[in-house]
Amino acid sequence: DQQVKQNSPSLSVQEGRISILNCDYTNSMFDYFLWYKKYPAEGPTFLISISSIKDKNEDGRFTVFLNKSAKHLSLHIVPSQPGDSAVYFCAAQGNSGNTPLVFGKGTRLSVIA
Amino acid sequence: KAGVTQTPRYLIKTRGQQVTLSCSPISGHRSVSWYQQTPGQGLQFLFEYFSETQRNKGNFPGRFSGRQFSNSRSEMNVSTLELGDSALYLCASSTNPPGAYNEQFFGPGTRLTVL
Repeated sequence: DQQVKQNSPSLSVQEGRISILNCDYTNSMFDYFLWYKKYPAEGPTFLISISSIKDKNEDGRFTVFLNKSAKHLSLHIVPSQPGDSAVYFCAAQGNSGNTPLVFGKGTRLSVIA
Repeated sequence: KAGVTQTPRYLIKTRGQQVTLSCSPISGHRSVSWYQQTPGQGLQFLFEYFSETQRNKGNFPGRFSGRQFSNSRSEMNVSTLELGDSALYLCASSTNPPGAYNEQFFGPGTRLTVL
C-alpha cells in the first residue's frame, strides 16, 4: 500500500517555463513533507520542506504548496533551467518526527533548452 | 564539512553470499538511516539508528540487519543474497534526535549487483 504517490513518472518542460510536480498522500498522520532532487550516480539532495501548519513555502525558484484537505502537495519551479533536470522525490513524515520518512517513487523532470 | 560517505561504491556478489556496507555520517550527526532504491520503486526504508540504538525498522526480511557504532558510523549486512537484492543502497544522516523532524543528508550510495 503506497502511502506517498507521485503519479507522473516523467515530465518535460521548456527552459524558462514553470515545472509543476505533484504528490498525493494517504496517511492523515503525515505532518511534515519534503522534496528531494536526485542526479544520476549521486544521493538525493534536500530541496525544500513544509510543515502541515503551513500551506506554502518558498525558497528562491522553488515553492511547495500543501492542500491538507486534498492530501496533495506540489512543487513549482519557476523559471525552469536545464540544470533542474533530475528525478524529484516527494517524502512525508508523521508522528512528530518519530516515524521514518516515506518516499514516493519519483518523477523524472527534463528541462529542454 | 565532509558529507556522508559510503563504502564501497560498487559491489558485485553472487547468490548466497553475504555483504557488509559501510556509512560514515556527517560529523556531529547521530542519526543514520538506510534505504534501498530499485528501479521504479523509489526509496524503501530499511532501518534507522540513533546513538547505537535501532529506532525504526522497515518491512524487510531478517536477512537485512544493521548496527551503529559509538562514533555514529553504521554498517548494514545482507546475508544469503538473492538476485532481487540488486539495488542502490543509500545511507542518510541527520542531527535531529527522536521526536524531531529531520532533513536527511544522503551519501552517494553503494550499487550492489547480485549475480
